[in-house]
Amino acid sequence: KQEVTQIPAALSVPEGENLVLNCSFTDSAIYNLQWFRQDPGKGLTSLLLIQSSQREQTSGRLNASLDKSSGRSTLYIAASQPGDSATYLCAAFLSGGYNKLIFGAGTRLAVHP
Amino acid sequence: NAGVTQTPKFRVLKTGQSMTLLCAQDMNHEYMYWYRQDPGMGLRLIHYSVGEGTTAKGEVPDGYNVSRLKKQNFLLGLESAAPSQTSVYFCASSSQGNIQYFGAGTRLSVL
Repeated sequence: KQEVTQIPAALSVPEGENLVLNCSFTDSAIYNLQWFRQDPGKGLTSLLLIQSSQREQTSGRLNASLDKSSGRSTLYIAASQPGDSATYLCAAFLSGGYNKLIFGAGTRLAVHP
Repeated sequence: NAGVTQTPKFRVLKTGQSMTLLCAQDMNHEYMYWYRQDPGMGLRLIHYSVGEGTTAKGEVPDGYNVSRLKKQNFLLGLESAAPSQTSVYFCASSSQGNIQYFGAGTRLSVL
C-alpha cells in the first residue's frame, strides 16, 4: 500500500530564506508526483507535476525534484516571501491503471516579515 | 472560466439526515474524484470516476454513494449522515494522469 509522508509538519521561517520541504513515498511504482498549495479555507492549487521519467521541474522560485529509487521528492522554495505562507501537499499518482493520487498530510509553512 | 464548482459551500446536518454534494466541471475532463480532508490526515479518496456512467471505490468509501450520469457532474451522496462524516469535502477533475483541478470545498458538520 502506497504511503506518503511529509516532513516537517510545520515550518516557520523569516522572509528571504531558502526552504526545502520533504516528501517520501513507500512504493516507487508511481506515474507522477505532484505538489500542491492550499491556503486556509481554500481548495488545492497545483504547483508542479513531475512525471516518473523526469528528475525535476521548475516554476519561478519553485523547484521540485524526484528520486524514485529512494522514494523521495523535495520542493525547494527560493527567497521565501510572506505570500508563500500556506500548506504544501505532495501526492503520488499511482501507476498500474489505478488513477489515484495518494496525499501526504502536508507541511504548514509560515514566512514572517 | 469556472473550472470545478462545488455546491453547497457549507452545510450542517443532524445525525441520520441525508444530503447530496454536487460537483461540476467545465473542462471536459474524463476523470473526477471526491476526497475528504481531516486535520492531520491529508486528503483521502472516497470515490472516483473514469468516465460518464462509471464509478469506483477509493480508500474510504463506506457511508457514501456517487453517481456520474453526465460527464460534467459528479454527485456524492450521504444516505444517513454520521458525526464521523464531519469533514471538508473536495471534488477534483483531470484528464488521465495529469494535473487534478480542485474545487473550493464543502465544509460539512454532522451533529
